[in-house]
Amino acid sequence: RKEVEQDPGPFNVPEGATVAFNCTYSNSASQSFFWYRQDCRKEPKLLMSVYSSGNEDGRFTAQLNRASQYISLLIRDSKLSDSATYLCVVLGEDSSYKLIFGSGTRLLVRP
Amino acid sequence: ETGVTQSPTHLIKTRGQQVTLRCSSQSGHNTVSWYQQALGQGPQFIFQYYREEENGRGNFPPRFSGLQFPNYSSELNVNALELDDSALYLCASSSGLYIDEQYFGPGTRLTVT
Repeated sequence: RKEVEQDPGPFNVPEGATVAFNCTYSNSASQSFFWYRQDCRKEPKLLMSVYSSGNEDGRFTAQLNRASQYISLLIRDSKLSDSATYLCVVLGEDSSYKLIFGSGTRLLVRP
Repeated sequence: ETGVTQSPTHLIKTRGQQVTLRCSSQSGHNTVSWYQQALGQGPQFIFQYYREEENGRGNFPPRFSGLQFPNYSSELNVNALELDDSALYLCASSSGLYIDEQYFGPGTRLTVT
């Protein structure tokens, strides 16, 4: 079983739509979670951290369900510029604190 | 821009050759992590260097080796290249060990033919 699993998509949505991505992780001891955004052939960039109480940043909302080991990202009012791959990331719990990435979910926002 | 630079940008090598990739971390950062991202996959952790010492290694064979210099820049060396080594190689720098925010460089795209 992969440590972090995501639906690869692609999700093809019209501008203005609301879209949600889900992710599951296998290590129940994990403490820190993130969503990264990666544009085609570019490096990943931190979109937002995910907190237990849930958090919102403009049109983006992240939720964490520790009991189900499940993380979600909701994007409201999608823009063309939101088209990218969204990577679910868990911080490793060993001494290296490595980032453990899912395979990513591709989002295409059409006019 | 994150201030993390990598060189070269692109590289084409032949199977069996050796390659060295370089990373300059953001000013003030003493930790560098290297990741391999194959096409259609998320980045996979190769290893991390903290204050010139290896601090953790992912599931990669010994032909993947690294180095960190006193100025905290880093190198990734891959010997006996295989076709499956074709990927985007990313380095990420951070300040200290338990820092959740890692800043990625633009990556080096390696093609092995």
